Amino acid sequence: GAVVSQHPSWVICKSGTSVKIECRSLDFQATTMFWYRQFPKQSLMLMATSNEGSKATYEQGVEKDKFLINHASLTLSTLTVTSAHPEDSSFYICSAREAGAYEQYFGPGTRLTVT
Amino acid sequence: AQTVTQSQPEMSVQEAETVTLSCTYDTSESDYYLFWYKQPPSRQMILVIRQEAYKQQNATENRFSVNFQKAAKSFSLKISDSQLGDAAMYFCAYRSGDTGANSKLTFGKGITLSVRP
Repeated sequence: GAVVSQHPSWVICKSGTSVKIECRSLDFQATTMFWYRQFPKQSLMLMATSNEGSKATYEQGVEKDKFLINHASLTLSTLTVTSAHPEDSSFYICSAREAGAYEQYFGPGTRLTVT
Repeated sequence: AQTVTQSQPEMSVQEAETVTLSCTYDTSESDYYLFWYKQPPSRQMILVIRQEAYKQQNATENRFSVNFQKAAKSFSLKISDSQLGDAAMYFCAYRSGDTGANSKLTFGKGITLSVRP
């Protein structure tokens, strides 16, 4: 199946700093990408949906000024957590889908720890 | 809005035995897809099986099969000959048949499956 990569896999940052997470589709054109947040033993919570070249659509309750999403190309989307705080510590997963496809492919996730 | 319900938070099965994970959903749509995803300790989401709502035949992938009851809005996963590697969190998910750009997956809360050796 198609491959989605995420970088970094694990990041530690200090409170107040910003951190960027990259999501890449390696062998297909991802017209739509999704960003999820997951707490231990819980389900995936959709944060936002992004379409290449367009502004992301954020889910209710997600601060768009805090979680900046950019989807500038068909193979790359980035999530920037601005002014991170300890409560932003979580596991972030991206997922990507081709136009017209029913299936979406998941990246391996990024563990963010804010100290 | 669509909802997906997985009411059992945890289940356990003896190695080589069969286990069934339950899932119900609610929708007013007639065209949709249903999925079971596996999330092992590595936390990589893996697609186990999918079912198109318009297909009456239950999907099967090796040891994994589903019991899709469209009228009852039920979509259970049966794992036969359970293996230690099946231990994971399993998520049931729904997606509208609309393949538009913003069509998204709705996940259940998940169930943690443990396999006893």
